[in-house]
Amino acid sequence: NAGVMQNPRHLVRRRGQEARLRCSPVKGHSHVYWYRQLPEEGLKFMVYLQKENIIDESGMPKERFSAEFPKEGPSILRIQQVVRGDSAAYFCASSPDDRAYGYTFGSGTRLTVV
Amino acid sequence: AQTVTQSQPEMSVQEAETVTLSCTYDTSESDYYLFWYKQPPSRQMILVIRQEAYKQQNATENRFSVNFQKAAKSFSLKISDSQLGDAAMYFCAYRNPVGGATNKLIFGTGTLLAVQP
Repeated sequence: NAGVMQNPRHLVRRRGQEARLRCSPVKGHSHVYWYRQLPEEGLKFMVYLQKENIIDESGMPKERFSAEFPKEGPSILRIQQVVRGDSAAYFCASSPDDRAYGYTFGSGTRLTVV
Repeated sequence: AQTVTQSQPEMSVQEAETVTLSCTYDTSESDYYLFWYKQPPSRQMILVIRQEAYKQQNATENRFSVNFQKAAKSFSLKISDSQLGDAAMYFCAYRNPVGGATNKLIFGTGTLLAVQP
């Protein structure tokens, strides 16, 4: 499967725990984007990363959220001390460069905070 | 800041009929890209069609076509010969010209399309 792989597909965390969402981009893609979809809403941009660099994090909450895309391995979206309001579907997308028309999206991780 | 508005939360169409989903946007850019994405219950985001703002010709992909009105900042999606598999949430999205840091997609709130047999 050459698509964007996200795991886990479903993640349940108790309030105060940490959530780690993983995204493996399409092979050869070096640009990764994270989006959040709250219930009944569209996708909202969170962060845009290239290998080892954060290019645009204007959509990331200032606290508790962080993202990385290391030289080797998947991109990770990390949410510390989760709260009920973090419950959402988190989507990752990738592109080969910053001039690509569009992205390839993963199927998302649904995070539920109980 | 750019915004995308979808004013139809839900739409319904009979199988084999035609339906049009509306989208308006706001931007001060002269060049940009517009997209329609389909999200079925599986949650997968599927690109349906895209339009470059500098092209006057409306994009077409099989049964899907757009009506792009640049001056009115309108970008509607027409689905012809609707099929049961077209039932999904449809999102309109905007993107600044490719290249550089502003690569993000800006999405509308979506239109839920039901297809009646």
